Amino acid sequence: DSGVTQTPKHLITATGQRVTLRCSPRSGDLSVYWYQQSLDQGLQFLIQYYNGEERAKGNILERFSAQQFPDLHSELNLSSLELGDSALYFCASSSSPNTEAFFGQGTRLTVV
Amino acid sequence: SQQGEEDPQALSIQEGENATMNCSYKTSINNLQWYRQNSGRGLVHLILIRSNEREKHSGRLRVTLDTSKKSSSLLITASRAADTASYFCAPRGAAGNKLTFGGGTRVLVKP
Repeated sequence: DSGVTQTPKHLITATGQRVTLRCSPRSGDLSVYWYQQSLDQGLQFLIQYYNGEERAKGNILERFSAQQFPDLHSELNLSSLELGDSALYFCASSSSPNTEAFFGQGTRLTVV
Repeated sequence: SQQGEEDPQALSIQEGENATMNCSYKTSINNLQWYRQNSGRGLVHLILIRSNEREKHSGRLRVTLDTSKKSSSLLITASRAADTASYFCAPRGAAGNKLTFGGGTRVLVKP
């Protein structure tokens, strides 16, 4: 158990819908990272937060947004979903921006 | 980009053999991290080696770092079927750049 909790574990939704994925980092970790992993794309970095502030951005689509709340949990919002958004979404946390990261078990999103 | 590139892309060995994989990167680093991912699971941190270290051990894992060549290697000794996974390196700068990953090395350990 990494200490990082992601909910839900599985999500099936229809095209055009909006979903919210939640991540609770390890106790005390200030950095949160989000990733998308699909079969043909590898592990794609989406966005990183540190203590509530956006720290780095990857190839995150405009339809996607995220935030980190004062209690340090984070949410990734995916809207106007397309079939191609079906993937595993991982959250990770670390105590500071360049220390080792701990990954959650992921949310498997299926868009039908 | 701070992303590391792992080599080879895939590796198949017999149980009990050693597995070696390499990582190359392009910019200066503060540390370099190795991770393992079992199929469909989240990445698991294996070892962090700092830029002023040359070698580090953890159980059956040995990591080396050559900052002059901007490269690192991960050696798994006496491999087991449970070592079957993808392995990724992540070079990290002092400022805490994006934590990005390359394509990884897929290791298959055959019983």
